[in-house]
Amino acid sequence: EPEVTQTPSHQVTQMGQEVILRCVPISNHLYFYWYRQILGQKVEFLVSFYNNEISEKSEIFDDQFSVERPDGSNFTLKIRSTKLEDSAMYFCASRAGGINEQFFGPGTRLTVL
Amino acid sequence: KNEVEQSPQNLTAQEGEFITINCSYSVGISALHWLQQHPGGGIVSLFMLSSGKKKHGRLIATINIQEKHSSLHITASHPRDSAVYICAVRSEETSGSRLTFGEGTQLTVNP
Repeated sequence: EPEVTQTPSHQVTQMGQEVILRCVPISNHLYFYWYRQILGQKVEFLVSFYNNEISEKSEIFDDQFSVERPDGSNFTLKIRSTKLEDSAMYFCASRAGGINEQFFGPGTRLTVL
Repeated sequence: KNEVEQSPQNLTAQEGEFITINCSYSVGISALHWLQQHPGGGIVSLFMLSSGKKKHGRLIATINIQEKHSSLHITASHPRDSAVYICAVRSEETSGSRLTFGEGTQLTVNP
């Protein structure tokens, strides 16, 4: 069964460093999402992406964040200069056009020291 | 007030018991999801509902659009059902298809 994959599973970085989190959505899906979950808190929406552009973003998704679909298969989330409060689990999700169900990846645990 | 409220926050049951987790939401929605999150953190989609009822194995999900309420039921619960169950909604009021999540219900099923 096709699935969303994410790499790495765990990333440790120093405050101020750039990180790139990678996702490979399900191959025929058209809509892509990033969510995050700070430890002990609920999952929060960051951004949605369709047709090579951002379709919606939350107030969390400020200028430090960017997304890209560089090669038609990968979908990346970049954090330019990480802060301690960026430590969280980051989930990628994708869905096919016209169908609402989103499929989630296993997540990347980001730890900022 | 959260757009999505779940109850209870925590639930402990004995193996074999019938489990109900509730979700109430305050906005008009186009779809509601029930998700399962295991201790490792990964999220699995269980159901997506826009009306009525769906069943998959021992899991049943219902939704009442007029009352803005959904329930997830687990029959003959088993220790492997122990996980966090999350309700998430897709609002009619946003232009995109973002999901808004509840806080989750931590279910522990004891043998």
